Amino acid sequence: EPEVTQTPSHQVTQMGQEVILRCVPISNHLYFYWYRQILGQKVEFLVSFYNNEISEKSEIFDDQFSVERPDGSNFTLKIRSTKLEDSAMYFCASRADRGDGYTFGSGTRLTVV
Amino acid sequence: AQKITQTQPGMFVQEKEAVTLDCTYDTSDPSYGLFWYKQPSSGEMIFLIYQGSYDQQNATEGRYSLNFQKARKSANLVISASQLGDSAMYFCAMRHNNDMRFGAGTRLTVKP
Repeated sequence: EPEVTQTPSHQVTQMGQEVILRCVPISNHLYFYWYRQILGQKVEFLVSFYNNEISEKSEIFDDQFSVERPDGSNFTLKIRSTKLEDSAMYFCASRADRGDGYTFGSGTRLTVV
Repeated sequence: AQKITQTQPGMFVQEKEAVTLDCTYDTSDPSYGLFWYKQPSSGEMIFLIYQGSYDQQNATEGRYSLNFQKARKSANLVISASQLGDSAMYFCAMRHNNDMRFGAGTRLTVKP
């Protein structure tokens, strides 16, 4: 069964440092997403990406965040200058078409210290 | 704006019994999709079941069924014959166009 792969599974970073979270979506999928989940809380939408551009972003996704699909297979989330409150589980998801369900990766747990 | 509400922060059920997890939503658009995901303690998000707004019949997937009441804007998940492995967080989500938003989740505990 095809799957969405996220690396690393856990990343610890110093406050103020830049982090890049990596995702490899399913190869024939066209729509890509990042969500985050602060420990014990709800899953929050960050950004959606289609046709090499952001199609929608939430109020959480400010200037500190950016996404990229640099090589046609990876889909990355960059946080430029991490804050303590960025500590969360970050989920990547993808889907093939508008009518399809989302496939989630297993998540990257980001800890900012 | 779309809104998803799960009013049960926690639920308990006896093993082998059925349980209903509530989900209500609010949207003015006639076209949308409703999803349920399971999140075990490992943290992964596992897709369970999907209901389209135009689907005439309630969705079923094995022990999972979705009680879709469109006029009441509810999409409750029914788990039949609960198993200990069903203990997890359950999230209801609604997709509209290119966007999916989640409810706050319900923590289900299955008691032996």
